[in-house]
Amino acid sequence: AQSVSQHNHHVILSEAASLELGCNYSYGGTVNLFWYVQYPGQHLQLLLKYFSGDPLVKGIKGFEAEFIKSKFSFNLRKPSVQWSDTAEYFCAVSRAGGYNKLIFGAGTRLAVHP
Amino acid sequence: DTGVSQNPRHKITKRGQNVTFRCDPISEHNRLYWYRQTLGQGPEFLTYFQNEAQLEKSRLLSDRFSAERPKGSFSTLEIQRTEQGDSAMYLCASSTGTDNQPQHFGDGTRLSIL
Repeated sequence: AQSVSQHNHHVILSEAASLELGCNYSYGGTVNLFWYVQYPGQHLQLLLKYFSGDPLVKGIKGFEAEFIKSKFSFNLRKPSVQWSDTAEYFCAVSRAGGYNKLIFGAGTRLAVHP
Repeated sequence: DTGVSQNPRHKITKRGQNVTFRCDPISEHNRLYWYRQTLGQGPEFLTYFQNEAQLEKSRLLSDRFSAERPKGSFSTLEIQRTEQGDSAMYLCASSTGTDNQPQHFGDGTRLSIL
């Protein structure tokens, strides 16, 4: 069965610290990968996506993610977090091509302290 | 940016009542998805429409659930004879008809069953 595993449910960091959120997926086929972010009181927003090509993907607000096919991983990184990055982060996978029903991980709640 | 619009934002009802939610996708988007999100979990796929055709339904969508998209524009999700376990956030997302396009999410409808 398709599944997405996010390793950390809660992460607490100080401003300027580096961030890495783990994501592993289980899917038998070619995939598209996504990170969505949900800021407090707001809807899910796309942070970045991987469809094909360069496995290092850059998104908005200084975030990036690396697709490692051999490890079935798509970890999210940011070198220096800000208080405004406080949010919940969801990793998601879909089948490549066609319509893309998303399979989400459980999410990681990030709190950044000033 | 008109975004995906969902109404109502909150719905409180007694167990056994019927409820209906509405989703207005981004105007040029012909793909529409419904998801359900419970506390501490990521969104779970419920159903998918391509224009007015409902092309996939999750096993999560029991007989008490029905979704429609009569003219290929807005969609409704109805739950009959609500149960405590139906309490959740119901999310709608839309995307263009082109393959491998990201989904845009609405703010969701939070359903609470008394």
